Amino acid sequence: KQEVTQIPAALSVPEGENLVLNCSFTDSAIYNLQWFRQDPGKGLTSLLLIQSSQREQTSGRLNASLDKSSGRSTLYIAASQPGDSATYLCAVSSFGNEKLTFGTGTRLTIIP
Amino acid sequence: DAGITQSPRYKITETGRQVTLMCHQTWSHSYMFWYRQDLGHGLRLIYYSAAADITDKGEVPDGYVVSRSKTENFPLTLESATRSQTSVYFCASGLRLAYEQYFGPGTRLTVT
Repeated sequence: KQEVTQIPAALSVPEGENLVLNCSFTDSAIYNLQWFRQDPGKGLTSLLLIQSSQREQTSGRLNASLDKSSGRSTLYIAASQPGDSATYLCAVSSFGNEKLTFGTGTRLTIIP
Repeated sequence: DAGITQSPRYKITETGRQVTLMCHQTWSHSYMFWYRQDLGHGLRLIYYSAAADITDKGEVPDGYVVSRSKTENFPLTLESATRSQTSVYFCASGLRLAYEQYFGPGTRLTVT
């Protein structure tokens, strides 16, 4: 059974710094991996989707990488802004079970 | 308005009562999903649907019933609510099972 872990559960960073969020998964036979953002009291917004055959995806200041062999993905946020404060979740779809398995998220706070 | 909507946004009900949460999407996505989000558990899939009249269980289906008579609607019914079903419920839709999912704003349900 696929398990997805995100450590740390919470992270505070001064504005302007670059930062990395981590996601690890136990079964490397993944179909794809997605990163979502969740603002307090709101639903999830898809940020990036990385296919199994890809190593990374970029969107603006966000860059997500995927290393299947080590069971890890990172979300890199460049030049952080207070508006980046939110909870970031990763979710994995695996071969044989394509339904998404979510991590519990990292709550990010950008300090002005 | 285009998108995915959920109603009600907040609901308080008593143990043993039946309650239905509504979900409506305007994109004509084939797939629709119901998740619950609880502290410490992340998002867990309750039920999903691949098309009208096709539904399947997710990770935590017990105590819930779904139907999908029209592509755009996917109601979730708690037949006899229990306190353990107090949670935030999210509906989502997507073109395919493992691809990008679009989430509604959520329904916060409290069972007293």
